[in-house]
Amino acid sequence: AQSVTQLGSHVSVSEGALVLLRCNYSSSVPPYLFWYVQYPNQGLQLLLKYTSAATLVKGINGFEAEFKKSETSFHLTKPSAHMSDAAEYFCAVRNDYKLSFGAGTTVTVRA
Amino acid sequence: NAGVTQTPKFRVLKTGQSMTLLCAQDMNHEYMYWYRQDPGMGLRLIHYSVGEGTTAKGEVPDGYNVSRLKKQNFLLGLESAAPSQTSVYFCASSLPTSGQETQYFGPGTRLLVL
Repeated sequence: AQSVTQLGSHVSVSEGALVLLRCNYSSSVPPYLFWYVQYPNQGLQLLLKYTSAATLVKGINGFEAEFKKSETSFHLTKPSAHMSDAAEYFCAVRNDYKLSFGAGTTVTVRA
Repeated sequence: NAGVTQTPKFRVLKTGQSMTLLCAQDMNHEYMYWYRQDPGMGLRLIHYSVGEGTTAKGEVPDGYNVSRLKKQNFLLGLESAAPSQTSVYFCASSLPTSGQETQYFGPGTRLLVL
């Protein structure tokens, strides 16, 4: 089964700074990859997804992710962090019609 | 259009008690899922359903049962709750469109087993 690994369980950034969240996948076939965000006391919301159409994927709220096959990575970035970006972020890979999630990365934004 | 709803939002059980969590979706989705979320472990799939009347085991099915009698509802049952089942439970639904389907999540149910 395909899996993903998120590097770093906590990331702290200053408001206005770059946000970089790391996700690596293990897959023997081209994967379908997803980033979800979970705001406090809420369910998960899709940020963006990679489905092989383009390696650079743009999502909601200014986030984007780049699929790099050579590095088996799908890192999530946002050029300028906002206080409202404080949340937990999950990378996921599709297995059949199921998703396998990474352990999550909690983002804290400092004023 | 409410999306995915879950009831109850919060529940406290004693060890050995039983309960049922209800998930409902109004998007006419074929697939439905139950996950549990524990700190540092992401979301783990408990059971899922690919259509009315069908269910299948996920990654951590022990101690849980499910039923999908109606397309819009997916029930998760705990027959004899244990403290290890203290968790946040999320339901999700999706359409099966060749791997690109997005899973839509409910707001979650917080369960505490004493």
